[in-house]
Amino acid sequence: SYELAQPPSVSVSPGQTAIISCSGDDLGDKYASWFQQKPGQSPLLVIYENGKRPSGIPARFSGSNSGNTATLTISGTQAMDEGDYYCQAWDYNTAVFGTGTKVTVL
Amino acid sequence: QLQLQESGPGLVKPSETLSLTCTVSGGSITSSDYSWGWIRQPPGKGLEWIGNIYYSGITYYNPSLKSRVTMSVDSSKNQFSLKVNSVTAADTAVYYCARREEVMAGTLEYWGQGTLVTVSS
Repeated sequence: SYELAQPPSVSVSPGQTAIISCSGDDLGDKYASWFQQKPGQSPLLVIYENGKRPSGIPARFSGSNSGNTATLTISGTQAMDEGDYYCQAWDYNTAVFGTGTKVTVL
Repeated sequence: QLQLQESGPGLVKPSETLSLTCTVSGGSITSSDYSWGWIRQPPGKGLEWIGNIYYSGITYYNPSLKSRVTMSVDSSKNQFSLKVNSVTAADTAVYYCARREEVMAGTLEYWGQGTLVTVSS
């Protein structure tokens, strides 16, 4: 079965850049989405189709996808960006979620 | 504004069947632009896709759950449903329903708030 691997945690200072990777076989041939999840809340879509932002998502969130790795970049990270982040892609008609990354803003 | 709301028992006994319903408001469940899915999250763990269903009734299930899962659509109520049979403690999770956007490369844009289902005697 298809798998997506993420680092368990990423720490970043306020105002700095957080980079979260998501790795899977030939992931660049698929579309990747990214979700933010805060405690007690449902996942929130922050990036879709590799690099597009839904309405209302700040421009500091950006994404890319090439080769075997998709990347979520949070520029000028704010305290409100703390939470768990999950990548997701479709393998044929099966949705696969990444293992999740906890982002801590120190 | 699209809203999805999960409903169903919060406690299910081992070996019994878990049944949940997702009510869709602010949009039609019959549009071919969308399909409807279920995702779950065990306490303290990551997200696991359960399956998707189209209005036509076509379903796609997670291979690891396929033998125990059934999804259905009720267009008269603008609802879709999930059944998981022979549940164990490992099925304890927050269950989310979501809409898959067929015209946006399958993006799961809208999610319900989630409902916690505990499997325990």
